[in-house]
Amino acid sequence: NAGVMQNPRHLVRRRGQEARLRCSPVKGHSHVYWYRQLPEEGLKFMVYLQKENIIDESGMPKERFSAEFPKEGPSILRIQQVVRGDSAAYFCASSPYGAGRGFDYGYTFGSGTRLTVV
Amino acid sequence: DAKTTQPNSMESNEEEPVHLPCNHSTISGTDYIHWYRQLPSQGPEYVIHGLTSNVNNRMASLAIAEDRKSSTLILHRATLRDAAVYYCILRDVLASTGANSKLTFGKGITLSVRP
Repeated sequence: NAGVMQNPRHLVRRRGQEARLRCSPVKGHSHVYWYRQLPEEGLKFMVYLQKENIIDESGMPKERFSAEFPKEGPSILRIQQVVRGDSAAYFCASSPYGAGRGFDYGYTFGSGTRLTVV
Repeated sequence: DAKTTQPNSMESNEEEPVHLPCNHSTISGTDYIHWYRQLPSQGPEYVIHGLTSNVNNRMASLAIAEDRKSSTLILHRATLRDAAVYYCILRDVLASTGANSKLTFGKGITLSVRP
């Protein structure tokens, strides 16, 4: 099953540490989306990347958060100097195509990384 | 993306059909209707999508009103494993910028299935 793989599934960090979340998209998918789900809240879009490019980062907090999707390897969501408010489930999704093609398709989501900041 | 309106929750009985409604009165001609669901402690899962015609797949059916201002997700025979939050989402496939490519999730409808 070549779905979206996220690791780790669970991550515990102390306040001030860095968190690195990895996402390997479905083979052949070049578009990756990151979402965050705070406890008891809905899914919020964070960032959309295409290989080596950030297409839309309108949902990313201005500080401490960054994302990349290199030519080789998984997409990485990096959170520096984590705080308790960063505790959440982070989901990655991938798709084979981008916007404006005149037809539509579904996203494939991963199982998420649950970040706990202590 | 145009907005959708869904009830907060719905209950159903196991092995009975379930009809989950969604209103989208401001839908545009190029908006696709998507449904995703999220089971407890899991990532969202694609269910179905359509534009104008009704759609069927192994998971569900999507019935789209003739004026496209509403749609209904139909689970033909609910099981306990179908208990989840179901999201109805619109996306404009002719959006010319990548920034409009993302799916925007609302609160969804929480489906409970009684044994």
